[in-house]
Amino acid sequence: QITLKESGPTLVKPTQTLTLTCTFSGFSLITSGVGVGWIRQPPGKALEWLALLYWNDDKRYSPSLKSRLTITKDTSKNQVVLTMTNMDPVDTATYYCAHRLYDSGGFRFDFWGQGTLVTVSS
Amino acid sequence: QSVLTQPPSASGTPGQRVIISCSGSSSNIGSNTVNWYQQLPGTAPKLLIYGNNQRPSGVPDRFSGSKSGTSASLAISGLQSEDEADYYCAAWDDSLNGLFVFGTGTKVTVL
Repeated sequence: QITLKESGPTLVKPTQTLTLTCTFSGFSLITSGVGVGWIRQPPGKALEWLALLYWNDDKRYSPSLKSRLTITKDTSKNQVVLTMTNMDPVDTATYYCAHRLYDSGGFRFDFWGQGTLVTVSS
Repeated sequence: QSVLTQPPSASGTPGQRVIISCSGSSSNIGSNTVNWYQQLPGTAPKLLIYGNNQRPSGVPDRFSGSKSGTSASLAISGLQSEDEADYYCAAWDDSLNGLFVFGTGTKVTVL
């Protein structure tokens, strides 16, 4: 079955760069149509999509955060890495990675990691 | 920032039917299929509805989705205490270079 797990620092200082790793199993990122996305959720607030990486290395970013985000993959390790530069306290949130499926039923994130809480504070 | 608009809250007594609306635009709901996610307290979101009205395996048929034009809705029939959660609609948006958008979220309370 498909599983995903996020890992990375729980605390970062303002202006630092955040690096989060999504380690997955049950699928391969070299399979046509597969994608992995990152979504975050500030405490008590709504979900916000951040980035998406496709099997063919095509990438999409949230327009409001595009200048700060980079998403990459390591297919040999079954990992997807998200980096976010110039962290600010407003970036404090739980960060999720999720498996993206696209078929006749449309686009969806069908499997999610448990999430990792990142706090930005000096 | 959320592009899809939902009511902040909805409530009902056990057994009642609750409907949550989701309003978007021609570039998202109007052009693509809608997903609904359920987020129980302290847990990751779970896919509840995809393709506007399809349920993944294991999702009770008490949950149903529909779409009309640039709006969508989620109905919970026979409301149960375990349905108390946050619900989010979502869809792909064709604007700019393409992006995924979530709704503002609706907290469902079982009275």
